[in-house]
Amino acid sequence: EAGVAQSPRYKIIEKRQSVAFWCNPISGHATLYWYQQILGQGPKLLIQFQNNGVVDDSQLPKDRFSAERLKGVDSTLKIQPAKLEDSAVYLCASRPGDWTEAFFGQGTRLTVV
Amino acid sequence: EDQVTQSPEALRLQEGESSSLNCSYTVSGLRGLFWYRQDPGKGPEFLFTLYSAGEEKEKERLKATLTKKESFLHITAPKPEDSATYLCAVQAYRKGAQKLVFGQGTRLTINP
Repeated sequence: EAGVAQSPRYKIIEKRQSVAFWCNPISGHATLYWYQQILGQGPKLLIQFQNNGVVDDSQLPKDRFSAERLKGVDSTLKIQPAKLEDSAVYLCASRPGDWTEAFFGQGTRLTVV
Repeated sequence: EDQVTQSPEALRLQEGESSSLNCSYTVSGLRGLFWYRQDPGKGPEFLFTLYSAGEEKEKERLKATLTKKESFLHITAPKPEDSATYLCAVQAYRKGAQKLVFGQGTRLTINP
């Protein structure tokens, strides 16, 4: 079974530039999460989708971050403009139902200089 | 607010030296506690799910237990390949969806 795919794996940008991350969840998984993981910390939820609808974006900095889930499948997370404190690993996860584990992708490591 | 605290932040053991990692949580309406393993440069990998106090799960050298306030991940006779960061997450029903809240992790190092 194919896992959660994320791209790119690494990205280096200058502050005030924009960047986009892509996630392809496991086929059939209705729930999709984007997490931000700063070095040495646990993952912090940014946004949660159920199919193509947002169910929780309370911790998403909406002045600079945006996310969408196309046709309830792939998802993109965008940062515009980036700040130095956005340097982190951005993890995408999906799960088929509420009573199963979430499956994580390898993450995208973003460095803002 | 849902909170998850893991201790210790880092733990260094000798090969074969058993120990336990702690995950304390404050959440109303717990709907599951998850343990994950994360290797450097990789995403978290699922280990266990626990749903009710008193429940235990085992896998090789790892055993997870759950009480009403905390969970323990016991590591028996660890090997160097058990070195990783161990994350716990609590699941609660919020705003019409199951939310997963993670702790900060315990970085475990097993020396040969």
